[in-house]
Amino acid sequence: DGGITQSPKYLFRKEGQNVTLSCEQNLNHDAMYWYRQDPGQGLRLIYYSQIVNDFQKGDIAEGYSVSREKKESFPLTVTSAQKNPTAFYLCASSIRKDRANYGYTFGSGTRLTVV
Amino acid sequence: LAKTTQPISMDSYEGQEVNITCSHNNIATNDYITWYQQFPSQGPRFIIQGYKTKVTNEVASLFIPADRKSSTLSLPRVSLSDTAVYYCLVEKNTGKLIFGQGTTLQVKP
Repeated sequence: DGGITQSPKYLFRKEGQNVTLSCEQNLNHDAMYWYRQDPGQGLRLIYYSQIVNDFQKGDIAEGYSVSREKKESFPLTVTSAQKNPTAFYLCASSIRKDRANYGYTFGSGTRLTVV
Repeated sequence: LAKTTQPISMDSYEGQEVNITCSHNNIATNDYITWYQQFPSQGPRFIIQGYKTKVTNEVASLFIPADRKSSTLSLPRVSLSDTAVYYCLVEKNTGKLIFGQGTTLQVKP
């Protein structure tokens, strides 16, 4: 079955460490996204990529970095510069056609906790 | 970007029909209206999408008036498993999907 796989499901990080969250899709989707969700809140966009080797900042990109070397993969690095990284992180992908995006699919999320 | 406004929370009982209304006053001509459902500790799941009038699938119906400034998600005969957060979004071709706070629906026995 096609889908999006996020790993790990739970991640613990010590203060001052960088951690990388994995997101892989086999849907042949062009665009990929990273969102952050805090308790009781909606999703906020961190970064998105519409094609390989290109990505744009979302609303809360500070303290995060991404890469898009392959169509299937869009890893997110939470750096030590992110002051409050404890949150639920969601990856999504969509088809890009005629400069529009369709069919968003979300992964099951990674819960990051700073200890 | 088109902003959406929807109630923060709603309560219902099993077997009832639930209607959640969303306002999107500055929706643009090419925008679509999409609703997602999210359970705790899971990613949002697509429910339904529409452009105008009425759309129905096996899960829900979506009513959109002629001016498209609002939309109503209708869930027929809800069950306890429909307890979730429901997000109304206006999809644009900008490459970004912007979420609001959503509506937390609590279905009671």
